[in-house]
This record gives sequence, structure tokens and C-alpha cells, in this order.
Amino acid sequence: QKEVEQNSGPLSVPEGAIASLNCTYSDRGSQSFFWYRQYSGKSPELIMSIYSNGDKEDGRFTAQLNKASQYVSLLIRDSQPSDSATYLCAVPGTGGSEKLVFGKGTKLTVNP
Amino acid sequence: GAGVSQTPSNKVTEKGKYVELRCDPISGHTALYWYRQSLGQGPEFLIYFQGTGAADDSGLPNDRFFAVRPEGSVSTLKIQRTERGDSAMYLCASSLYFRPYEQYFGPGTRLTVT
Repeated sequence: QKEVEQNSGPLSVPEGAIASLNCTYSDRGSQSFFWYRQYSGKSPELIMSIYSNGDKEDGRFTAQLNKASQYVSLLIRDSQPSDSATYLCAVPGTGGSEKLVFGKGTKLTVNP
Repeated sequence: GAGVSQTPSNKVTEKGKYVELRCDPISGHTALYWYRQSLGQGPEFLIYFQGTGAADDSGLPNDRFFAVRPEGSVSTLKIQRTERGDSAMYLCASSLYFRPYEQYFGPGTRLTVT
């Protein structure tokens, strides 16, 4: 059974700062990793995917993957109050299924 | 285009009753997923359809839960003899066949069992 661990937070950062969200996973064979954002009372939406070691940048968001350490992170530069949400880390399930296994999520608050 | 839709948005039922939750995926998405999310937790996988068939139902907690997708589009999650522990947000998602992990979620159905 794959596991995904996240610090549930809450993580609080001032507006304009860098928010760093972290995730570890149990299955060394995992090949792809996803970050979903969930606003309070809303459903999750995909914001980043990463498949290879290193960094992947998309606007203010950077995903970082270190397979040796089984660690994936999401950096949000120039954080805005509108970034306040819960960020969910996810990996594909075992056995070739297309399901996702999610962590509990980290709640981020960006203070104006 | 239209996103994933789910009905009803809220459902309150008494313990022991039967409920049906409906999901209408994005047009052209062959894959459909059901998840359940409790407060403070991430979504928990229930079942996945590719077309009309259930490709993976390993997440269904017991035989009170059943889901169908008879025409490969709309899906219905059915819960028999509901229990208070079934109370949660039920999320449906869909994806394109060749991008299974880029899942688009619907707004969910909040189920409360009293």
C-alpha cells in the first residue's frame, strides 16, 4: 500500500514570501507525482505534475523531485493571499491502476 | 466546456437508507473515478471506470457500496444501508484515456447520514 506523507500545517507565510510545501512517499518505484490545490469548500484541481528528478517551473510554482530521498516539494514564489488553500500531494496507485493516492494535504495561509 | 457535474450537491439521509450519487464527466473523458474525502483528509480512492467497466474497485469499503457506468458516460455510486460513518464528501473525477493522472474533479456531493 503506497503512502504519501505531508505536514498538515497550517503553514503561514507573509504575502510576497516563498511558501515551501513538502511531501514524502513510501514507494521507491513511483515514477510520477502530482500537486493538487483545494480551496476551502471546493474540489481539488491539478496545478503541477513532475516525472523526473530536478525542478519543474510553471509561473510562480516550482515542483522539485528527489527520487533518491523519496521527496517531492512545491515552492510558491511571491505568495499571494489567493494562494491560501490546502495543497495535496498525490502519486499513482499500485498495480497499474490509474487511481491516485493522496496525502492529507498541507493547509497554506498567505497573510496580506 | 462544461466541467464534471455531480448531483445532488448535498444529501441528508437516515441511517439504514439507500442513496444514489450521480456524476456526469467531461465530454470525451473515458476514465471516471470516485473518491471519498473526510474532513482534514485527502481524497480516498473508491472505484475507477474505463469506459463502461470498473477497472479497479479495490477502494470500495464493503459490499454496501456499488457503482455503475452503463453507457460509458454518467456514473452512479450507490450506497445501501447507509451508516453514520459513510458521511463524507463524495468526489467524482474524469480524465482523458492517455492522461489518467490529470484528473478533473467535480464539486462533490456532501453526504450526511443521521
